Amino acid sequence: SQKIEQNSEALNIQEGKTATLTCNYTNYSPAYLQWYRQDPGRGPVFLLLIRENEKEKRKERLKVTFDTTLKQSLFHITASQPADSATYLCALDISGGYNKLIFGAGTRLAVHP
Amino acid sequence: SAVISQKPSRDICQRGTSLTIQCQVDSQVTMMFWYRQQPGQSLTLIATANQGSEATYESGFVIDKFPISRPNLTFSTLTVSNMSPEDSSIYLCSVAGTGFGNTEAFFGQGTRLTVV
Repeated sequence: SQKIEQNSEALNIQEGKTATLTCNYTNYSPAYLQWYRQDPGRGPVFLLLIRENEKEKRKERLKVTFDTTLKQSLFHITASQPADSATYLCALDISGGYNKLIFGAGTRLAVHP
Repeated sequence: SAVISQKPSRDICQRGTSLTIQCQVDSQVTMMFWYRQQPGQSLTLIATANQGSEATYESGFVIDKFPISRPNLTFSTLTVSNMSPEDSSIYLCSVAGTGFGNTEAFFGQGTRLTVV
């Protein structure tokens, strides 16, 4: 079955630096991959979706890449701020487009002033 | 976009009892999903709830333990039955945005359940 691996260790960076988070998956390449942000006590909030035919997607300070050969997605936050501190989840659709998602364990990001 | 309201937001329950969690969406949706998030863990899909049919459960989850209702296109309930401390988790409902295979999922704020 499809599995998702994210670095479960917390990522600590200095404000202003670029944070890079990794998502690896096994088995088949999904048609698209999503990234979510989750703050403590809240449900996940959608950030970006990237399709298998897209190499890169940007939204403001966020950038996602998708390498179907490596079965990997990278999530970058440039010019990071303390407000970016949260857990970031990678998710794959396993229902062929109906948003039945499986999630990685998430990577906790801490941005220090 | 979709706005999802879950009730209750949290509860402390005695073992052996049951709790029903409600999920209300501000628009009609075909599929609703229920997830569990155990302490320090990521989300695990429990089941998919379609209006007018039985819910579809993922491996490791059964209807007797997690009965689900889906009476209409904007509402669903998940019941956690005969609870034990191992059921202490956050339970979240989710819906897909409009548009097939092209949009984000929306989540409720979750129900934090503690079983004592």
